[in-house]
Amino acid sequence: KQEVTQIPAALSVPEGENLVLNCSFTDSAIYNLQWFRQDPGKGLTSLLLIQSSQREQTSGRLNASLDKSSGRSTLYIAASQPGDSATYLCAVSSNQFYFGTGTSLTVIP
Amino acid sequence: ETGVTQTPRHLVMGMTNKKSLKCEQHLGHNAMYWYKQSAKKPLELMFVYSLEERVENNSVPSRFSPECPNSSHLFLHLHTLQPEDSALYLCASSQDRGETQYFGPGTRLLVL
Repeated sequence: KQEVTQIPAALSVPEGENLVLNCSFTDSAIYNLQWFRQDPGKGLTSLLLIQSSQREQTSGRLNASLDKSSGRSTLYIAASQPGDSATYLCAVSSNQFYFGTGTSLTVIP
Repeated sequence: ETGVTQTPRHLVMGMTNKKSLKCEQHLGHNAMYWYKQSAKKPLELMFVYSLEERVENNSVPSRFSPECPNSSHLFLHLHTLQPEDSALYLCASSQDRGETQYFGPGTRLLVL
């Protein structure tokens, strides 16, 4: 069974700092990997989806990379802002979607 | 707004009650999903429907009963729940299985 781990569980950074969130998975036979953002008490908002054949995807200040062979993905956030504060979840799709427990990010003004 | 709506947003029910959660998507997607999110645990996939047919049921107790009358609507019928069923229930849809999922805002359920 696929297991998805996200490290760190919580992260607090000052505004303007660049940061990296990590996601690892145990089974490299995936179709794609998706990063989500979840605000407290809300649903998930899709940020980026990387197909298994791709190495990275970019959207604005966000860049996600995928190294399928090592079972790792990173989400890079440039010039962090207080509005980036949320929980970030990664999910890998094999026969179904498997989610990590998330990284809770706080950006301090 | 993701194009996926859920009602109600909050629900408190006793263990003997029967209630239903509703999900509606306005995206023309073919696949719909129910997830359970409990504190400190990863999202758990409960049910997957593709073209209105249930294709996955991840060993969910029978006190949860899904219904997909058409490709735009998905229900989760609840009866004789337990306090440990208290959680955020999220609905999602995607164009097809394995593609980008769009989530609704969730229903926060409390079972007393």
